[in-house]
Amino acid sequence: GEKVEQHQSTLSVREGDSAVINCTYTDTASSYFPWYKQEAGKSLHFVIDIRSNVDRKQSQRLTVLLDKKAKRFSLHITATQPEDSAIYFCAADHTGGADRLTFGKGTQLIIQP
Amino acid sequence: DMKVTQMPRYLIKRMGENVLLECGQDMSHETMYWYRQDPGLGLQLIYISYDVDSNSEGDIPKGYRVSRKKREHFSLILDSAKTNQTSVYFCASSPGTGYTEVFFGKGTRLTVV
Repeated sequence: GEKVEQHQSTLSVREGDSAVINCTYTDTASSYFPWYKQEAGKSLHFVIDIRSNVDRKQSQRLTVLLDKKAKRFSLHITATQPEDSAIYFCAADHTGGADRLTFGKGTQLIIQP
Repeated sequence: DMKVTQMPRYLIKRMGENVLLECGQDMSHETMYWYRQDPGLGLQLIYISYDVDSNSEGDIPKGYRVSRKKREHFSLILDSAKTNQTSVYFCASSPGTGYTEVFFGKGTRLTVV
């Protein structure tokens, strides 16, 4: 089955700097790649996604890049703010939707003042 | 107000007891999910339900069963709970197969002693 690797368990950046969180996947059939954010003690909520028919998607300070050849995708956050501190999960799905999401282990993003 | 509600939020059970985790959603979503989250492991899919009485195993169904008798309710049952089922359980819902919006509940922290 699909395996999603999230290589950084923790990432610490200074407020205002950029943060990049990387993920790799194994199933070439995966076509949908969402990112979820989990703040301390709270549930997950969706932040941004990308489909395999594009290689870049931007939403305000967030950009997702997808490299299908390398089976790698990444979340870029610019001008980081304290409220960006959270655990970020990447996921992949081969169904075209989100029915069979396989999640990475999560990256704790710490924004230092 | 779009919401996925989980009850209870915290639960302590003895090994061998039966456990019932309840989930409700007010969005008339067809698809509902149960995930568990363990430290360092991300989220793992236990069961998915495509509609009333239409349930399918996820990646880790062993030791669990589910019930969906009404579209808005999805229950997770642990018959004779084990200590390795100590985890945080998340319920989620989406409009249906092929949709990508997934809404998560706040989670139930289950401790089996």
